[in-house]
Amino acid sequence: RKEVEQDPGPFNVPEGATVAFNCTYSNSASQSFFWYRQDCRKEPKLLMSVYSSGNEDGRFTAQLNRASQYISLLIRDSKLSDSATYLCAKGGGSYIPTFGRGTSLIVHP
Amino acid sequence: NAGVTQTPKFQVLKTGQSMTLQCAQDMNHEYMSWYRQDPGMGLRLIHYSVGAGITDQGEVPNGYNVSRSTTEDFPLRLLSAAPSQTSVYFCASRSGQGNEKLFFGSGTQLSVL
Repeated sequence: RKEVEQDPGPFNVPEGATVAFNCTYSNSASQSFFWYRQDCRKEPKLLMSVYSSGNEDGRFTAQLNRASQYISLLIRDSKLSDSATYLCAKGGGSYIPTFGRGTSLIVHP
Repeated sequence: NAGVTQTPKFQVLKTGQSMTLQCAQDMNHEYMSWYRQDPGMGLRLIHYSVGAGITDQGEVPNGYNVSRSTTEDFPLRLLSAAPSQTSVYFCASRSGQGNEKLFFGSGTQLSVL
C-alpha cells in the first residue's frame, strides 16, 4: 500500500462549483503535509502547506485530520484556470516528501 | 532567478545506451532529489542527497546512479538504459530543516527504444 493515496479522478466540475479532494496517508508519525499543483507537461509547484489548524489562501482551504489520517483540499468558486493535477505529499523522515499519484481536476464552462 | 535547471529537456536513447541527466540549483539548497513520473504512478523518488558527498536510495533506485560532489549539482546517471526507464524525470531541491517546500526543475522527457 502506498504511503499516500489519492483518488485519481478526473473530477469534472462547472465553473463556480466547490470541489474537494481527500488524500489518505499511512505512518501517523508524519509531521508535515503539502498540496502541489501540476499543470500538464509542467513541473509541480507548491500550492499550500497543510497545518494542524487548517489553513486558507483565498479560494483554497486545506485541512488535516490526524485521527483519520487524511488531508483535504477545498476549492471554492472554481475557475477554468484551476484545471490541473493536484498532488498531495507528506514529509518524510529524510525530509524528502512522498507524493500521492495526483487527482485530476477539469473545470468546464 | 534560475532556480533548478535540468538538461536536457528531451532525450531519446536506444536500449543499452548510457547517459547523464544534469541538475543544478543556485539557491544553496542542502537537499536535492530525483523523481520519475509515469502515468497513473505519481512522483516516485529515485535517489536523494542531504548534502555534498551524501546520497541515498529512494523508492525506485535500480538502474540509476547519483553523486553529489558539490552543493549545486546532482546528476542522475543511467548506466544501461532500458525501455522501463521511459519516463519524465524531475529534479528537486529544498533548503534545510524547517522549510520543506520543494523547488522542481522543468523536467526531462526520456524515451528508451
